[in-house]
Amino acid sequence: DAKTTQPTSMDCAEGRAANLPCNHSTISGNEYVYWYRQIHSQGPQYIIHGLKNNETNEMASLIITEDRKSSTLILPHATLRDTAVYYCIVFAGYQKVTFGTGTKLQVIP
Amino acid sequence: EPEVTQTPSHQVTQMGQEVILRCVPISNHLYFYWYRQILGQKVEFLVSFYNNEISEKSEIFDDQFSVERPDGSNFTLKIRSTKLEDSAMYFCASSEEAGAGYEQYFGPGTRLTVT
Repeated sequence: DAKTTQPTSMDCAEGRAANLPCNHSTISGNEYVYWYRQIHSQGPQYIIHGLKNNETNEMASLIITEDRKSSTLILPHATLRDTAVYYCIVFAGYQKVTFGTGTKLQVIP
Repeated sequence: EPEVTQTPSHQVTQMGQEVILRCVPISNHLYFYWYRQILGQKVEFLVSFYNNEISEKSEIFDDQFSVERPDGSNFTLKIRSTKLEDSAMYFCASSEEAGAGYEQYFGPGTRLTVT
């Protein structure tokens, strides 16, 4: 699997958009970008994934650059419950998901 | 919304004892996984399971570990002789299919404490 680079931590004011960046400069053509999050020690929660087009669901939006070397997860209106560690994962099509250290997002009241 | 469930939520056992962690994957999913997370560390892949066979396993998944799908709904992880270093959160996950484009859904985890 290609490696990803994320900031260690970020803060976001409650009600504002949280933009979480991820670099994946060695991504291959058939690899998807996935985002998961983990709140405290709960099980990782799937958020969204995409290949090359921007994607939106009820939780978030995913913006992937045209060259696919980076992406941004957008939480449009962050709440305190969005405080978590966010993982950007490039999935090679094999069966296991390889987690890195992620970005610790702190939503501030 | 369908979800992966795990029991028990917390298991305390003595070193050398056998433990079985149980999972009920999402009903129409065909691929099943176990991961673990030692406190303060990354989530690590242990094993994947499909069609009643292990399809991939990590170096962590040694002879002390085994998985089984004893019936049509449960998926279990057995640790035969627990060690102190097996203390961790254990997460079960399932997916409809395997491969890029298919997401894995994780359960809430079982906290295993080995004393």
